[in-house]
Amino acid sequence: GDSVTQMEGPVTLSEEAFLTINCTYTATGYPSLFWYVQYPGEGLQLLLKATKADDKGSNKGFEATYRKETTSFHLEKGSVQVSDSAVYFCALTPSGGYQKVTFGTGTKLQVIP
Amino acid sequence: EAGVVQSPRYKIIEKKQPVAFWCNPISGHNTLYWYLQNLGQGPELLIRYENEEAVDDSQLPKDRFSAERLKGVDSTLKIQPAELGDSAVYLCASRSQGTDTQYFGPGTRLTVL
Repeated sequence: GDSVTQMEGPVTLSEEAFLTINCTYTATGYPSLFWYVQYPGEGLQLLLKATKADDKGSNKGFEATYRKETTSFHLEKGSVQVSDSAVYFCALTPSGGYQKVTFGTGTKLQVIP
Repeated sequence: EAGVVQSPRYKIIEKKQPVAFWCNPISGHNTLYWYLQNLGQGPELLIRYENEEAVDDSQLPKDRFSAERLKGVDSTLKIQPAELGDSAVYLCASRSQGTDTQYFGPGTRLTVL
C-alpha cells in the first residue's frame, strides 16, 4: 500500500538557518503530494502541495519539489523564524483517489532565537 | 469563510464513561473525515463520509465507537465506554467534491483518567 516516510525529529535550528525536512513516498502512478503544518494546540493546516512530477509547491517561504525519479518531496526554507516552530507532516493522495490521505509520522521543528 | 468547527476543544473523562465529539464542516463540503491522532504520530483515519453515507469505516472500532452524519452536514463521533487508550486528539476534516485538499478543524483533545 501507499506509505510516506519522513525524517525523524525533533529538528532544532537557530533563527535564520536553512531548513530541510526529508520526505519520501511509496505509491503507484502519480499521487498528489502535500505538506501540512500543525502548530501547538491546533489542527493541521495545508502548507503547500504539488500534483505532478517536477511541480514546485511554495507558500510562506517554504518550498518542495515533486521528484518522481527519487520519489521525494523534501520541504525547504531558506531562513527559518521562531514562528515556524511546529510539527510538519508530509502526505499523499493516490492519483485520481482524493478520498484517502496517507500521512507521515510528522517532524517536529523547533527554532531558537 | 468559516473553517471546520469542532467542539469541545478539550474533554477529560473517567474510563468507562461515554463521550461525544461534534464537527461542522466547511459549507458545501460533502466529504467529512474523522481522524485519530496519537501523540507524536500522524492522523489515522477512523471514518469517511460522502454526504450522509459512511463509505470507509474499516478502521473504526465498532465495539465502542460510533459516528453519524444524519443530514450530510455536521457529524458526531461517540465513544462508549471510553478506555484509557482512547486518550488522543480527534480531528475532523472536510473536502469539497473533486478537489484534493482536506481542511482540518482544531481537534478535540480527549483525556481518559
